[in-house]
Amino acid sequence: DQQVKQNSPSLSVQEGRISILNCDYTNSMFDYFLWYKKYPAEGPTFLISISSIKDKNEDGRFTVFLNKSAKHLSLHIVPSQPGDSAVYFCAASYTRGGSNYKLTFGKGTLLTVNP
Amino acid sequence: DGGITQSPKYLFRKEGQNVTLSCEQNLNHDAMYWYRQDPGQGLRLIYYSQIVNDFQKGDIAEGYSVSREKKESFPLTVTSAQKNPTAFYLCASSAHRGQGSHGYTFGSGTRLTVV
Repeated sequence: DQQVKQNSPSLSVQEGRISILNCDYTNSMFDYFLWYKKYPAEGPTFLISISSIKDKNEDGRFTVFLNKSAKHLSLHIVPSQPGDSAVYFCAASYTRGGSNYKLTFGKGTLLTVNP
Repeated sequence: DGGITQSPKYLFRKEGQNVTLSCEQNLNHDAMYWYRQDPGQGLRLIYYSQIVNDFQKGDIAEGYSVSREKKESFPLTVTSAQKNPTAFYLCASSAHRGQGSHGYTFGSGTRLTVV
């Protein structure tokens, strides 16, 4: 049972345009969401996160939006650059009793930004 | 600098042999994780450990074994029982408690090839 879903395996955009990567989740206990970026043959690196008490978090060209009622989050990259070409993983977690439970990852979306 | 180190980066194994992948962190993180990445499969959790001398199976633990004798170290052994061991292996660590500590720090990965 996949609790975090990234339904688009790949996305292709032109340089300078907006990239929108989507993620859906099913577990209503999730209260923290993260995006990771991964280049081939490297480990994923943290990109941006959002707590469930917010609906938007922005960091430079990257913005994450959270719609709790729809159990949906999205990552916007504006403007997209060729160096953004990578696999993007959505991940979710929750906290209970002061402890953070392990992240659940989606399967990833391969973003290709064309010059 | 604090970080997480995986070694070796590339590893070749003959069929029928066990092989151990190293993972060391100096971030003082309580929890450590092993993932496997295959094309189109995303990140699949093999084993994780939230505290020294304790670990739990993840989603695909068959054919693998781990130990957690020290907080800094979480080696993964790929045994001959693992039917399809050729993959990219990622180790990660995280703080078990504390606000904002949901994120994982990943190593750079080990590419294991069975020849």
